[in-house]
Amino acid sequence: GAGVSQSPRYKVAKRGQDVALRCDPISGHVSLFWYQQALGQGPEFLTYFQNEAQLDKSGLPSDRFFAERPEGSVSTLKIQRTQQEDSAVYLCASSSAGLVEYNEQFFGPGTRLTVL
Amino acid sequence: ILNVEQSPQSLHVQEGDSTNFTCSFPSSNFYALHWYRWETAKSPEALFVMTLNGDEKKKGRISATLNTKEGYSYLYIKGSQPEDSATYLCAFKTGGFKTIFGAGTRLFVKA
Repeated sequence: GAGVSQSPRYKVAKRGQDVALRCDPISGHVSLFWYQQALGQGPEFLTYFQNEAQLDKSGLPSDRFFAERPEGSVSTLKIQRTQQEDSAVYLCASSSAGLVEYNEQFFGPGTRLTVL
Repeated sequence: ILNVEQSPQSLHVQEGDSTNFTCSFPSSNFYALHWYRWETAKSPEALFVMTLNGDEKKKGRISATLNTKEGYSYLYIKGSQPEDSATYLCAFKTGGFKTIFGAGTRLFVKA
């Protein structure tokens, strides 16, 4: 079956623009995670959804970052008034039902955001 | 602040060499340790989920061990091949939803 897909794969934005990054998880996967990976670092947790409920948004770096998953499947990460420090790869991952600590996560290919 | 360290940052080996790298994590509130392989231009792919102290897992030429009391895991690759070239990430899970990743070990295998 299809894996996790993300779009766009690459996005160039001018400082101050709003961007929206889309994630299509594996069908039926309950859990959905967003991560931000800066150059030379590991992925950093941003937020977690269980179905449509956003249960943890502690990793969102500022109130310019907003994520939603209104029907419990596709998710969108929105960044308002982008800044240069937002330049990173944004990864989405999904996993099936069960204890979230133990389930393997299936990752998308990421969206590389460059803010000029 | 929970910290996950991986060493070395990068590693260059010849085809056929065996190699290993380390992931260090907090030894308290441990739930699971995940290993992922991330090839360039692809998605990270799960290798192992390790939960019990003393766990050893194997997939083909790749194996991993876990010591939760001292807070480390080793990943071993036997007889490295060029297709093993990738970044290997470990991820620590404590209770809750957050996953804490290390920065990865970048492996280059020369034919």
